[in-house]
Amino acid sequence: QVTLEESGPALVKVTQTLTLTCTFSGFSLSTSGMRVSWIRQPPGKALEWLARIDWDDDKFYAASLKTRLTISKDTSKNQVVLVLTNMDPVDTATYYCARIPTAKSAFDIWGQGTMVTVSS
Amino acid sequence: QSALTQPASVSGSPGQSITISCTGTNSDVGNYNYVSWYQQHPGKAPKLIIYEVSNRPSGVSNRFSGSKSGNTASLTISGLQTEDEAAYYCSSYTTSSPNWLFGGGTKLTVL
Repeated sequence: QVTLEESGPALVKVTQTLTLTCTFSGFSLSTSGMRVSWIRQPPGKALEWLARIDWDDDKFYAASLKTRLTISKDTSKNQVVLVLTNMDPVDTATYYCARIPTAKSAFDIWGQGTMVTVSS
Repeated sequence: QSALTQPASVSGSPGQSITISCTGTNSDVGNYNYVSWYQQHPGKAPKLIIYEVSNRPSGVSNRFSGSKSGNTASLTISGLQTEDEAAYYCSSYTTSSPNWLFGGGTKLTVL
């Protein structure tokens, strides 16, 4: 069974750095074609793709956030980490991690999400 | 503003069929068969219901179907049921950044 679970602080202050961890099971990020993405959703708003890391350590970022985002993986721990610097109230959102297997080219399994509030 | 355009809301009665459109450009929807659809109930994570335009993951009801014509993809739900009431999001791969685009979401109300 494939599962993903996000963890991190529920509350951060303006200008602080957010670090989120996605811990997964049921698949390996060293398997050819496997990818994991981060996606966020502000309250009452649409989904927004943030970043992606591939089995071969290729990394991709949303252009609007590229200077603030870093994605990394620890294959031995089955974890993907997202770092977002210089947090602002507009970054308040539920943050999801999701798997993208080559066989589907879509986000086939999602974590339950973690809500992050940025306070001023 | 979201990159893919969806209607904000649609409604239907139980047993009826509805279609939700998702309009992009020839850089995304029109150029790739990597369109997917997600169902999201309030307070829950999105769930994949259609991938690569028209494929259903295992366990998803065959009442859900997808198609594409030009720059517009569509999700059709037939035989509406009350549990279909949810938000639906389309997504497409694109070679421009960001890699993946989402639509603004469509709220389906089953009357």
